[in-house]
Amino acid sequence: DGGITQSPKYLFRKEGQNVTLSCEQNLNHDAMYWYRQDPGQGLRLIYYSQIVNDFQKGDIAEGYSVSREKKESFPLTVTSAQKNPTAFYLCASRTGQKLFFGSGTQLSVL
Amino acid sequence: ILNVEQSPQSLHVQEGDSTNFTCSFPSSNFYALHWYRWETAKSPEALFVMTLNGDEKKKGRISATLNTKEGYSYLYIKGSQPEDSATYLCASMDSSYKLIFGSGTRLLVRP
Repeated sequence: DGGITQSPKYLFRKEGQNVTLSCEQNLNHDAMYWYRQDPGQGLRLIYYSQIVNDFQKGDIAEGYSVSREKKESFPLTVTSAQKNPTAFYLCASRTGQKLFFGSGTQLSVL
Repeated sequence: ILNVEQSPQSLHVQEGDSTNFTCSFPSSNFYALHWYRWETAKSPEALFVMTLNGDEKKKGRISATLNTKEGYSYLYIKGSQPEDSATYLCASMDSSYKLIFGSGTRLLVRP
């Protein structure tokens, strides 16, 4: 089936630890996005990528890093510099102007 | 307007009622306006993407309009059904394809 796969569904991070959230798509879309949702709030843009080997910061990029070495993959690393990482993370890919979303990863800090 | 703003934050209606939501967005550097529907335990799904001032789109009982000059869009649901219960997200895309979302309107339709 074509789609966007995010893994894991739930992730726990220890203080001072880096963790990487996976996002893979087999839709052959050039553009991919990472959003964060906090309880009671909307989706906030972390990073986005229009094409392989290129990406731009969103509104809340501090404490996060990404790579786009392959068209189908856009992993997000939550670094120890992100002081409040507990949130729901959504990945999306874009064809034309429409976004298609994964099912999300819930990250919690132990 | 610097951010995408949606109102109301939540809405409870009776089955059969018609309802509408508002989205305000920055009119400068505007490229496209998106509406998404997000049901609990599912991923957001695209409803409409509009680009031109005066655009109107319709899908079944749901329709949307766009005013790019004044920076607002309306989403209408005619004859709400319990299955319409969801969070409706509006998002504005600029010319660099940066897509910024509003905080959403949570709709609950009571049978």
